[in-house]
Amino acid sequence: AQSVAQPEDQVNVAEGNPLTVKCTYSVSGNPYLFWYVQYPNRGLQFLLKYITGDNLVKGSYGFEAEFNKSQTSFHLKKPSALVSDSALYFCAVRPGDTGRRALTFGSGTRLQVQP
Amino acid sequence: NAGVTQTPKFQVLKTGQSMTLQCAQDMNHEYMSWYRQDPGMGLRLIHYSVGAGITDQGEVPNGYNVSRSTTEDFPLRLLSAAPSQTSVYFCASSLTGNGYTFGSGTRLTVV
Repeated sequence: AQSVAQPEDQVNVAEGNPLTVKCTYSVSGNPYLFWYVQYPNRGLQFLLKYITGDNLVKGSYGFEAEFNKSQTSFHLKKPSALVSDSALYFCAVRPGDTGRRALTFGSGTRLQVQP
Repeated sequence: NAGVTQTPKFQVLKTGQSMTLQCAQDMNHEYMSWYRQDPGMGLRLIHYSVGAGITDQGEVPNGYNVSRSTTEDFPLRLLSAAPSQTSVYFCASSLTGNGYTFGSGTRLTVV
């Protein structure tokens, strides 16, 4: 069975500074990895995904994530944080190629960007 | 194109009552899932479907039933509501399983 760990319940960063939200995963075979964002009282919005290819994936709103197979990590990054980035972020995984195509989510990390 | 539509948005049930949470998508997606979101626990998969007539259990299926008679609809039935089922429920759909579109959620309180 697959699993996702987001070790930080909350990340605090000043506006304009770089941000990192951590994610590690466990899955059989090649992983398909995803990041979603949730604003208050809203559903989840897709940010980016890694299926195959370049380890650095670029997504919406200036976010990017780096796939590291040896460390089984898929950290979310942004060079310069905005106050409007404050939200709840979820990392998710599913087994690639074969297996169930439903996503397994981490527990979420709340990002707080201070002005 | 409405995406994934969930109804109702809010619901209060008494313990032991039954109800159906509706989910419909108009994108001709084969893959559909139901999740529940609880504080500190992320989203947990309840049930899953790969197409009309095919469903499978997820991580937390007890107390919930699903059926998939059409590609568009994937209702979630609570058979006998319990306070432990108080949660926010999300439905999601995907064409290939490589990225899901989520509905706006149903906030359920069981008293």
